[in-house]
Amino acid sequence: GESVGLHLPTLSVQEGDNSIINCAYSNSASDYFIWYKQESGKGPQFIIDIRSNMDKRQGQRVTVLLNKTVKHLSLQIAATQPGDSAVYFCAETVPNSGYSTLTFGKGTMLLVSP
Amino acid sequence: GAGVSQSPSNKVTEKGKDVELRCDPISGHTALYWYRQSLGQGLEFLIYFQGNSAPDKSGLPSDRFSAERTGGSVSTLTIQRTQQEDSAVYLCASSAGPGYEQYFGPGTRLTVT
Repeated sequence: GESVGLHLPTLSVQEGDNSIINCAYSNSASDYFIWYKQESGKGPQFIIDIRSNMDKRQGQRVTVLLNKTVKHLSLQIAATQPGDSAVYFCAETVPNSGYSTLTFGKGTMLLVSP
Repeated sequence: GAGVSQSPSNKVTEKGKDVELRCDPISGHTALYWYRQSLGQGLEFLIYFQGNSAPDKSGLPSDRFSAERTGGSVSTLTIQRTQQEDSAVYLCASSAGPGYEQYFGPGTRLTVT
């Protein structure tokens, strides 16, 4: 289930389950979105991105969905594995920053049990 | 090839002291970014360098924070007169240019006592 911890919302799943991590973004001018994975003690790692002219994009075991009407982004991970345990961040950026300045969400911790 | 490297990995300093944090970007990357990540929080943008252009300093929280990038490569983030609220992980990223994928270093964990 999903719970709100002291600092981060946490999603706990069993290995093999599908995981859905949600993100609400704030800037209606944002038109490029990225999901990052951050493992303990490491910097964030790019997972998948999507531009605002799309509402869905698929990668290997991951799918990102974008709903611009309600400013909502989700990351779906299929057949979740213990190695997927990490903190997941969404990030948004706007064209007038040259797509250079990323604004990050607070993150969701995904815990995968074997 | 080598990724983004940062040093030191950990830094403990006393309140009021100055610190310097170093970032070595991926070779050939023209864009370099500094972010700050407080405990259990997302990343907060600090400063962005692109080539020889003037840096975007809009994210620096106070004039105690400054950064430079020498020769379009290595960057140093300096925090003067450190305060306890400066305690955080400072992350550096580089990219091939604006709008390209940002590759992050492992960060420097700064603790101000």
